[in-house]
Amino acid sequence: GAGVSQSPSNKVTEKGKDVELRCDPISGHTALYWYRQSLGQGLEFLIYFQGNSAPDKSGLPSDRFSAERTGGSVSTLTIQRTQQEDSAVYLCASRKAGGTDTQYFGPGTRLTVL
Amino acid sequence: GESVGLHLPTLSVQEGDNSIINCAYSNSASDYFIWYKQESGKGPQFIIDIRSNMDKRQGQRVTVLLNKTVKHLSLQIAATQPGDSAVYFCAERGDSSYKLIFGSGTRLLVRP
Repeated sequence: GAGVSQSPSNKVTEKGKDVELRCDPISGHTALYWYRQSLGQGLEFLIYFQGNSAPDKSGLPSDRFSAERTGGSVSTLTIQRTQQEDSAVYLCASRKAGGTDTQYFGPGTRLTVL
Repeated sequence: GESVGLHLPTLSVQEGDNSIINCAYSNSASDYFIWYKQESGKGPQFIIDIRSNMDKRQGQRVTVLLNKTVKHLSLQIAATQPGDSAVYFCAERGDSSYKLIFGSGTRLLVRP
């Protein structure tokens, strides 16, 4: 079946601009995660959704970062007034709640802030 | 706090040999562990997982070993192939029921 998809695959923006990154989870997966991965680094947790609510936003680095999820499906990660240090790969993962702990990842969005 | 780390940042093996990638974790309460493979330009791909009530689990060419006494996790890849070249991450589920804590990754290079 279809996996997690993310768009765009690459995004180049200028410092100070806002960007929106999209994640389409696996159908039926109620849990959704956003991570950030800097070059050659591990995965940094950003936010966790259960359904449309986000009980854990503890990883969002600043108030310039926000995320929402609608219809228990698609999620959007928004970064306002982008900075060069925001350049990274943003990964989305989804999980089928109840009986499984495995998170399935999308291909990521590579964000470059000039 | 919780931490998951790896002993070797880069592992180079000869094609056909077995590979062993190690991971140490610090939270003795962690009850679930998982290995991911990440190829260049792609998202992490699930390889194998194991729960804390098990010591060993086998998949296709891969085996995960869990030693709770010393809080150590390892991934064994049999007959390593060029397609196995990637970065491998271990992750643990500790105090949170939903959050995974990821290690920094080990790069596996397979020499032809």
